[in-house]
Amino acid sequence: DAGVIQSPRHEVTEMGQEVTLRCKPISGHNSLFWYRQTMMRGLELLIYFNNNVPIDDSGMPEDRFSAKMPNASFSTLKIQPSEPRDSAVYFCASSFLAGNEQYFGPGTRLTVT
Amino acid sequence: AQSVAQPEDQVNVAEGNPLTVKCTYSVSGNPYLFWYVQYPNRGLQFLLKYITGDNLVKGSYGFEAEFNKSQTSFHLKKPSALVSDSALYFCAVRTENAGNMLTFGGGTRLMVKP
Repeated sequence: DAGVIQSPRHEVTEMGQEVTLRCKPISGHNSLFWYRQTMMRGLELLIYFNNNVPIDDSGMPEDRFSAKMPNASFSTLKIQPSEPRDSAVYFCASSFLAGNEQYFGPGTRLTVT
Repeated sequence: AQSVAQPEDQVNVAEGNPLTVKCTYSVSGNPYLFWYVQYPNRGLQFLLKYITGDNLVKGSYGFEAEFNKSQTSFHLKKPSALVSDSALYFCAVRTENAGNMLTFGGGTRLMVKP
């Protein structure tokens, strides 16, 4: 298996622009998670889905952030409009409900100038 | 509520010496415990987990962890450290009724010096 796939790996954008991060979970996994990692705040869970349904989005910082999972093999995290404080590494992870451990993608390094 | 504490921001050890990275947890109910490792510019990699059974769990790259219910700890250990073990280590916990949502500790940077 190719593991969790994220794109793009790096994104540089200007403040106010829309940013879309993409994730393809491991085939057969039915839980998907979006995390954000910064030096100041460490690893933060933003939102997670079970069977394509959002279960807990309490970690989403504000309304500028939105996430969708239209099918079992694809999810997006969108920031609109982006701000410099959104600069971070964003990770997607997936797991199989009964297996418990999560498998992380390589991350998207977002820089908002 | 569930929480994890990694009391050391950084652990320094000489190559060939044993290493310990500490983790304590707080949950209501039975804990499921995990260790992950993160190398520079990479995602987190699963190392090992404790769900039930033997308190000593063996994982990837020669790492092991011991579940101690009375001390609510799940310390990561390795008998002989390698320079290549230098990385950021995360402990995580969930409970049976928390879905698949893990709570991660703040991470401990392990530095192994030759």
